[in-house]
Order: sequence, then structure tokens, then C-alpha cells
Amino acid sequence: ETGVTQSPTHLIKTRGQQVTLRCSSQSGHNTVSWYQQALGQGPQFIFQYYREEENGRGNFPPRFSGLQFPNYSSELNVNALELDDSALYLCASSLIGGQSNEQFFGPGTRLTVL
Amino acid sequence: GDSVTQMEGPVTLSEEAFLTINCTYTATGYPSLFWYVQYPGEGLQLLLKATKADDKGSNKGFEATYRKETTSFHLEKGSVQVSDSAVYFCALTNTGNQFYFGTGTSLTVIP
Repeated sequence: ETGVTQSPTHLIKTRGQQVTLRCSSQSGHNTVSWYQQALGQGPQFIFQYYREEENGRGNFPPRFSGLQFPNYSSELNVNALELDDSALYLCASSLIGGQSNEQFFGPGTRLTVL
Repeated sequence: GDSVTQMEGPVTLSEEAFLTINCTYTATGYPSLFWYVQYPGEGLQLLLKATKADDKGSNKGFEATYRKETTSFHLEKGSVQVSDSAVYFCALTNTGNQFYFGTGTSLTVIP
């Protein structure tokens, strides 16, 4: 069973730039959620994708957007980067319709905005 | 709205000491409760969970009991090891959609 993978591991961007982060869900899962974890804080929910559509969104501006592909992998796009976007971005996969509502997390992408 | 409050750290213990990390929650309905652990430079790993009142989750010597009357889900371990040093997050979900996490408690166990 393949776990959740994310790429890249680390990324450095400058203010105003755009970034795309990628996530491959765990085998057998159909849902991907994205979280932002600032240094010293708990993860904050950005949004979730199910059946290639957004299935819930946290308190993040529209410049945070996403996609889910037919193979259930997902992208997180952030436009017009700001310094406060520097964080660890975590992807989690789960199975809607399964017996458990557990989410399985990837290792994260560390984004630094200069 | 739904939220989780957990004991602030950092917590430093000697090996074989007893550990308690407090977690209380605010939620509508009947959420599922979780403890996740994060080792340095890694993502979150599920440690244990409980899906209804009075359930006890347990794993690797850690335990937590879902207490609806006190809206709590405190994490305990009878004898910590150096390898338990990590950051621990309490979390809840009502829908399986959005998870709400506490701010994390850093634990350091010294030999």
C-alpha cells in the first residue's frame, strides 16, 4: 500500500510569485485535503477535494485554489504569494464512503516566501 | 464553531515518567476525536482515535478516553521513552471533511 506523497519537499519563492504543490493520495482513497501549518502552530484546513470538486473550504482567500485529477492526486495553487504564506503545507487523503473518517497525512512541503 | 484547546508546552520529562497532555474541545453534535504525533521534519501520524463517548483509544502505550461530559480527550502514557519526543496534536472532525487541530504540545523526554 502506497502512502501519501508530496512534492516538492522544499520550495523558496518571492513575494508576488505563484506556486504549485502536488500530492498523491494513498492507494484506495478518493479524497484529498490540504492544510497549512505555520511554525509552532497546528494545521489549518484550507480545502478538500472529492470527485474532482471542492468539498469544503476553510478561511483562506481565493488566491488559494486547487485541483483533483481522475487518479485522485491533487494540486494546491497559491497566487500572489505573501510573506505569511511561508509554512508547511500538508496533504491528507481519506476515503469518503469508507468505514473510517481518518485522514492520512503526507510529509509536507516546506514553502518559504522571501 | 468547532475548536480544540490543548495544553501548552513545552513539556520536559525524564524517561519512565508519567505523561498527561490535556485536550478539551468545543463542537456541535458528536465529533470523532484524534491524537496525531509529528516527529521533527515529518508529517502527522495518527496515534489513536475515538469515535463516540466513553470510547478509549490506545496505541503504543498511549491512551485517551472520549469524555463527553467534560468535553475532553486527554492523552496519557504511563512510562515515556526518549523515542516519544515529538509534537502531539489533538484534533476533531464532525464530518470527516474538515479537521480542527489544537496548537500542539511539544514533548521532550530526557534519559
